[in-house]
Amino acid sequence: EVQLLESGGGLVQPGGSLRLSCAASGFTFSSYGMSWVRQAPGKGLEWVSEISGSGGSTYYADSVKGRFTISRDNSKNTLYLQMNSLRAEDTAAYYCAKRGQPSGFVYFDCWGQGTLVTVSS
Amino acid sequence: QTVVTQEPSFSVSPGGTVTLTCGLSSGSVSTGYYPSWYQQTPGQAPRTLIYNTNTRSSGVPDRFSGSILGNKAALTITGAQADDESDYYCVLYMGSGIWVFGGGTKLTVL
Repeated sequence: EVQLLESGGGLVQPGGSLRLSCAASGFTFSSYGMSWVRQAPGKGLEWVSEISGSGGSTYYADSVKGRFTISRDNSKNTLYLQMNSLRAEDTAAYYCAKRGQPSGFVYFDCWGQGTLVTVSS
Repeated sequence: QTVVTQEPSFSVSPGGTVTLTCGLSSGSVSTGYYPSWYQQTPGQAPRTLIYNTNTRSSGVPDRFSGSILGNKAALTITGAQADDESDYYCVLYMGSGIWVFGGGTKLTVL
């Protein structure tokens, strides 16, 4: 069974940093691109960042470019999101999501339960 | 700035049919954007419904179907049930690792 389990959320002051983790199991982690998707309270889903299976390619939404860094450790089956210079508008539940196929059709087929990040003084 | 548009809300009667759409602020949605659809109930993670425009994810009832209607992607629910009352999101793949979600549609079944 494919499982994704996020951790690392919490309360952080504006300008602070936080690192999120997503532990994956039940599939060949290194074969799949992975994304972070966030959802501010009462708002819709927003794609944040994606990383290729090898980790060699990374992509970011304009809203986080230059502040967030996505990475992965395929030996530990774990995805990360390093978040720096946090702003109040970064407050959200952060989900990790797995691409549905190693290549070809492009979609998310599995989501974690989310971890809440609150940026407030 | 690419904006993906969805109806903010929709209402359907139990047993009825509803079509939710997913468009682009500029241009047409085609299969090349690999439109996919996700269902989310409050406090829960999204659930994958449809991918590659019209392929149902494993375990999704066949009352859910996807298509391209005109210049938009569409999600049709035929024979709506009470537990279909959820938020529905589409996402389009822009290429080069970039995804854009629509704002979501809140579906009420009453």
